[in-house]
Amino acid sequence: KAGVTQTPRYLIKTRGQQVTLSCSPISGHRSVSWYQQTPGQGLQFLFEYFSETQRNKGNFPGRFSGRQFSNSRSEMNVSTLELGDSALYLCASSFQGASSPLHFGNGTRLTVT
Amino acid sequence: DQQVKQNSPSLSVQEGRISILNCDYTNSMFDYFLWYKKYPAEGPTFLISISSIKDKNEDGRFTVFLNKSAKHLSLHIVPSQPGDSAVYFCAAREGGSEKLVFGKGTKLTVNP
Repeated sequence: KAGVTQTPRYLIKTRGQQVTLSCSPISGHRSVSWYQQTPGQGLQFLFEYFSETQRNKGNFPGRFSGRQFSNSRSEMNVSTLELGDSALYLCASSFQGASSPLHFGNGTRLTVT
Repeated sequence: DQQVKQNSPSLSVQEGRISILNCDYTNSMFDYFLWYKKYPAEGPTFLISISSIKDKNEDGRFTVFLNKSAKHLSLHIVPSQPGDSAVYFCAAREGGSEKLVFGKGTKLTVNP
């Protein structure tokens, strides 16, 4: 079974631009979550989608948004990029259930210059 | 306010010995706990989990212990192997939520 796939792996953008990251979950998984990893803050929860609905949102500004499509694929968008948005963005999917672990993709490394 | 804490940033052990990684939490609403292993430039890989109704879960060389009264969990790796060298993250989830709260990680080095 294929794992969580994230594209692109690497991205370089300049301040003020916007970026869209893509995630394909494991087949059959309907919950998709996004996390930001930085050296200082560790892994921070961005948001979670289930059946195209955002169910949970972390403490990030409104510049960070996402969506989920009917096939469970998800995209994350960051507008008006800032230097501090440079991070590894990780997508995770789960089958959904009380004891269902999240499975992560290898992430998109975003560098903002 | 860090709800999940891994107080040891690093740990070094000899091959064949036991590795014990520790994690403390403050939120008593957490009911599911997970350990992930992470190599550089890769996403975290799920290792093992435990529900709050249990106090121990074992999978091969990996055992997780949960002490709810102390709000403490630990991951034991026996025997440790050089390939286990990675950063280990403890994570916790509140009932009914898919959101994971992560610790800052412990870098494990297993020396041959």
